[in-house]
Amino acid sequence: GAGVSQSPRYKVAKRGQDVALRCDPISGHVSLFWYQQALGQGPEFLTYFQNEAQLDKSGLPSDRFFAERPEGSVSTLKIQRTQQEDSAVYLCASSLETSAANTGELFFGEGSRLTVL
Amino acid sequence: AQSVTQLGSHVSVSEGALFLLRCNYSSSVPPYLFWYVQYPNQGLQLLLKYTSAATLVKGINGFEAEFKKSETSFHLTKPSAHMSDAAEYFCAVSYSGNTGKLIFGQGTTLQVKP
Repeated sequence: GAGVSQSPRYKVAKRGQDVALRCDPISGHVSLFWYQQALGQGPEFLTYFQNEAQLDKSGLPSDRFFAERPEGSVSTLKIQRTQQEDSAVYLCASSLETSAANTGELFFGEGSRLTVL
Repeated sequence: AQSVTQLGSHVSVSEGALFLLRCNYSSSVPPYLFWYVQYPNQGLQLLLKYTSAATLVKGINGFEAEFKKSETSFHLTKPSAHMSDAAEYFCAVSYSGNTGKLIFGQGTTLQVKP
């Protein structure tokens, strides 16, 4: 498809399990962002890639969170030893642009809803 | 720290009536400002953006927002609400010199009554 694709759409994990969330950005988009959206809240920035380089990971809440984009296209967000507070919707977004000065539109996927029991 | 505040987590409006969704930002430098809409079970979609051109910005489907530097605001308006406007709306900011990272407000849920 032409949009940002995320999988799985829904994931239920037991506390302590590891999970991996996948993002397929729009082809040719250089920038890729991961956001975390808790229930009733706005999205919060987690990390940013420009091609394969992770240029900003300041939003990752702990060292249990890890993201990669090895070939500059598909990205994976991995959460190790999940905790209940990790329950949220994880949004991926991509953009053609690489700086705020030229900020165009961020294209968002539908998100992966993670529930940790 | 830079932040965005959306006053009113829920707004209810009658179909055909004007509505306004509030957004204020805190920053000492001029931001880039955005409004995104999120329909149920869909990804966020861009409605409009301000990037230092005209202060009155027109978006899709009749939406408008005006950047007021003196008030550090970027309120979203639409002159006539339609049932299909029922959704969650997010204001966001970005700043020159960063990577295009957006800082979002908490969102406002718009209910449209027939």
